[in-house]
Amino acid sequence: EAQVTQNPRYLITVTGKKLTVTCSQNMNHEYMSWYRQDPGLGLRQIYYSMNVEVTDKGDVPEGYKVSRKEKRNFPLILESPSPNQTSLYFCASSWWGYTFGSGTRLTVV
Amino acid sequence: GENVEQHPSTLSVQEGDSAVIKCTYSDSASNYFPWYKQELGKRPQLIIDIRSNVGEKKDQRIAVTLNKTAKHFSLHITETQPEDSAVYFCAASLTGFQKLVFGTGTRLLVSP
Repeated sequence: EAQVTQNPRYLITVTGKKLTVTCSQNMNHEYMSWYRQDPGLGLRQIYYSMNVEVTDKGDVPEGYKVSRKEKRNFPLILESPSPNQTSLYFCASSWWGYTFGSGTRLTVV
Repeated sequence: GENVEQHPSTLSVQEGDSAVIKCTYSDSASNYFPWYKQELGKRPQLIIDIRSNVGEKKDQRIAVTLNKTAKHFSLHITETQPEDSAVYFCAASLTGFQKLVFGTGTRLLVSP
């Protein structure tokens, strides 16, 4: 089954404690991206990757890092999370339409 | 960069009525326009898309129309059912495998 697997689904953490949200796809897509979803603001792109070792900033990259060492994996890293990064995060891979992961609801206290 | 505006933000209809959601985009180079449905607590899922060389596309009760000259596209849902209740997002992209810019979403409520 074609899918994007994202973990964890829920995460509560404290300010400043580094965390990683994992994302893996089994569709051999080259393009992957991360979005955050906030009420009233829709889905905003954080980072994207066109292929292995090729990443670039989206619209809201501040406070986030990504890496793309393998085609299937695209983790999102928050080196020092802050409360304004509390949000719902989606990973997606695409070929003429995005397939989204199941989402990660992150709360930073 | 591309900017997508979506209206209305909320839409309430009676079961069996039609619903129309409209989006405008700013970048005339955009060529791919998908629509996503997001049910409460779930991921957005692609329901229909259209490419710039097509003016209209239908899939059962849903249809999308595109006016490239005016830079707007619309989602039409006919014979609405309670299970159509969700948030709908439009989006635009240069191609289907590059950055999607999303509208802010429309919450559709279908009352029995």
